[in-house]
Amino acid sequence: RKEVEQDPGPFNVPEGATVAFNCTYSNSASQSFFWYRQDCRKEPKLLMSVYSSGNEDGRFTAQLNRASQYISLLIRDSKLSDSATYLCVVSRSNDYKLSFGAGTTVTVRA
Amino acid sequence: EPEVTQTPSHQVTQMGQEVILRCVPISNHLYFYWYRQILGQKVEFLVSFYNNEISEKSEIFDDQFSVERPDGSNFTLKIRSTKLEDSAMYFCASSDPTDYGYTFGSGTRLTVV
Repeated sequence: RKEVEQDPGPFNVPEGATVAFNCTYSNSASQSFFWYRQDCRKEPKLLMSVYSSGNEDGRFTAQLNRASQYISLLIRDSKLSDSATYLCVVSRSNDYKLSFGAGTTVTVRA
Repeated sequence: EPEVTQTPSHQVTQMGQEVILRCVPISNHLYFYWYRQILGQKVEFLVSFYNNEISEKSEIFDDQFSVERPDGSNFTLKIRSTKLEDSAMYFCASSDPTDYGYTFGSGTRLTVV
């Protein structure tokens, strides 16, 4: 079983739409959870950390369900600039190696 | 904003040659990492480095690979006798133990021909 599994998409949505997707992780010892964004052939960039209580950063909302070992990301009011690959990332701690999912591709169209 | 710097941005090498990929981590970070991403695949952990030694390595990081911190600022990944399948983006990262300061460099695209 893969350590982090994501729906690869692609999710093609119009501007202004809401898009949501999940990932699941297999290692119950995971303690740190993140969503990264990766643009084509660029480095991963941290979008947001994910906390147990769920958290929001502007138009982005992340949820964590430890019991079911899944993490979700919701993007509201999609912008063209949100087009990217979103990487689900888990780790045992903040300074430990990161385990990446293969990414969910989102394309926002005008 | 502090950044992790990687050089070169793109390197083409012949199969069997040795390459050294260079990174300058953020100055007050203590943990250093190399990851790679084969085209179309996920980002994979290679090795982590702390206190001048390898703290963990993946099964990918075999005897062909080595890391070094030759001075106070550089962190290098050496690949001996490159193979075609070593072609990938190699990302260096560093992290701050006091908070989540995990930062990636912009990567080196290695092409083995």
